[in-house]
Amino acid sequence: KNEVEQSPQNLTAQEGEFITINCSYSVGISALHWLQQHPGGGIVSLFMLSSGKKKHGRLIATINIQEKHSSLHITASHPRDSAVYICAARVSNNDMRFGAGTRLTVKP
Amino acid sequence: DTAVSQTPKYLVTQMGNDKSIKCEQNLGHDTMYWYKQDSKKFLKIMFSYNNKELIINETVPNRFSPKSPDKAHLNLHINSLELGDSAVYFCASSHFAMPGEEAFFGQGTRLTVV
Repeated sequence: KNEVEQSPQNLTAQEGEFITINCSYSVGISALHWLQQHPGGGIVSLFMLSSGKKKHGRLIATINIQEKHSSLHITASHPRDSAVYICAARVSNNDMRFGAGTRLTVKP
Repeated sequence: DTAVSQTPKYLVTQMGNDKSIKCEQNLGHDTMYWYKQDSKKFLKIMFSYNNKELIINETVPNRFSPKSPDKAHLNLHINSLELGDSAVYFCASSHFAMPGEEAFFGQGTRLTVV
């Protein structure tokens, strides 16, 4: 069993829908990252969380340390949001463990 | 200015060859990483260096040898390439002393071994 589990694995939505991607982890962490990987392959860090909630534009990330769970929400989804979203748990200063990713497709 | 840059972006080579992928960061970070992303898009850490010292070396064949000439560079050298080495390799960097700080990724190097 992977130490970082994401769900769903694949997600298709219509433009404008509210989207939630979930991440559960079984290891102790100092922070949790949400990453976005576009079809071209480049990886961009969206959020780094150690508690609570962060918002950037239409993206919201939350984390519940006690439940070892984080969610990434996208409001008013748009086709340009189509990408793979990866949850990464920082387990030490030097080590991150990655979820398998959620492939999001937003249709116009 | 690119924060973490990798070269080359694409690399196609024959089995048995030796190749290197270069990584440079201009963020002043003291920790650099190499990750491998397999065909199923799963990212896995290979190496981690802090101040030019190897910190993490996951179960990676010893054909893979990282080299850190200084804090801003972490190059990956691969000997005797095999078909199974085909993957996308990502370099990243962060601050060791600030584990909660974001890691910045390079754009990836797609290695294809034929």
